[in-house]
Amino acid sequence: DQQVKQNSPSLSVQEGRISILNCDYTNSMFDYFLWYKKYPAEGPTFLISISSIKDKNEDGRFTVFLNKSAKHLSLHIVPSQPGDSAVYFCAASFSGSARQLTFGSGTQLTVLP
Amino acid sequence: DADVTQTPRNRITKTGKRIMLECSQTKGHDRMYWYRQDPGLGLRLIYYSFDVKDINKGEISDGYSVSRQAQAKFSLSLESAIPNQTALYFCATSDPRGTGNTIYFGEGSWLTVV
Repeated sequence: DQQVKQNSPSLSVQEGRISILNCDYTNSMFDYFLWYKKYPAEGPTFLISISSIKDKNEDGRFTVFLNKSAKHLSLHIVPSQPGDSAVYFCAASFSGSARQLTFGSGTQLTVLP
Repeated sequence: DADVTQTPRNRITKTGKRIMLECSQTKGHDRMYWYRQDPGLGLRLIYYSFDVKDINKGEISDGYSVSRQAQAKFSLSLESAIPNQTALYFCATSDPRGTGNTIYFGEGSWLTVV
């Protein structure tokens, strides 16, 4: 039973447009959410996070939105750049699990020039 | 130099052979992890260690063992490799004092079992 789901395995977006990556979770105990980016032949790197006490966190071109009632979070990239092409993983944790991260299956983003 | 270093980066081994993947880190973190990545399944936790004397099974520990030789070193062993253990393996570290326990990954080790 996947507690963190990324239902879109892939997404293609034109350069300069907005990329929206989605993630749903089922465990209401999760209170911290993270996005990781992974390029081929490299390990995942931390991108942005959000605590459940917030509904939005912004860092440059990247914004994460959290809708707790819907158990849904999304990552917005504006404007999208070809260098953003990568696999994006969302992850979630809660204090009761010693902050172990549960990852989604990933979404391959391709930004077309 | 990478903060989390994995060796080997690529390995092909035969079914039934023992294989060890090694990980060392210079971040000074107490927590270390081994994950595997499979297409469509994301990252799944194999084992984790909160300090040298603490080892815990993760979601998919069957067929694997680990050793925490020092704060900076955490190795993963496949005692008798089988083809469905072909995957990309990641070592990771974290500092629980950080908010939300952000994890830092190594570059990965491709393991192919034939």
